[in-house]
Amino acid sequence: DAKTTQPNSMESNEEEPVHLPCNHSTISGTDYIHWYRQLPSQGPEYVIHGLTSNVNNRMASLAIAEDRKSSTLILHRATLRDAAVYYCILKYNNNDMRFGAGTRLTVKP
Amino acid sequence: DTEVTQTPKHLVMGMTNKKSLKCEQHMGHRAMYWYKQKAKKPPELMFVYSYEKLSINESVPSRFSPECPNSSLLNLHLHALQPEDSALYLCASSQRLGGISSNQPQHFGDGTRLSIL
Repeated sequence: DAKTTQPNSMESNEEEPVHLPCNHSTISGTDYIHWYRQLPSQGPEYVIHGLTSNVNNRMASLAIAEDRKSSTLILHRATLRDAAVYYCILKYNNNDMRFGAGTRLTVKP
Repeated sequence: DTEVTQTPKHLVMGMTNKKSLKCEQHMGHRAMYWYKQKAKKPPELMFVYSYEKLSINESVPSRFSPECPNSSLLNLHLHALQPEDSALYLCASSQRLGGISSNQPQHFGDGTRLSIL
């Protein structure tokens, strides 16, 4: 089963870019890389996903390494509302998801 | 506001009680999920329904009984729970299981916080 490794915690200053790394060295050729985040007292929220190419949406950008063994979620300008736990997830058997421990992002004003 | 609605938001019950958690979505999604989340831990998958049929049961104890009466509703019936079952129970939905649609995002509710006395 493909697993992901993320730092336990990261800090950022408000209005600065944040790069959240994820290692997934055992990823298979058909696994998509998904990112979710969970704000305090809320359910997880979809952020972005990709397969091979870098992806952008209104929330973030996803940079995927050429060998697909790692990826980076980029928040271009962190705000206080971006403080959350960020989960990097590989799609699993039967297309369901298994959450790893995630990275707790703290944003300082 | 989330598109997946879970009720109640909080529930306190004794170990001999029977209660149910409810989840509702009107996005036309045909895959629905139950997760359990303990404090400071990631969500853990419990059950997956696809087209109202149970697709995955992650070896969950029988004191948890899921039910999907129609494509919009998902219930979790609780009976004879233990104190260690106290947790946040999250419901989610997505378009489909399998195929290209499997990579559509899951939409989560804000959960039911369950406390077992």
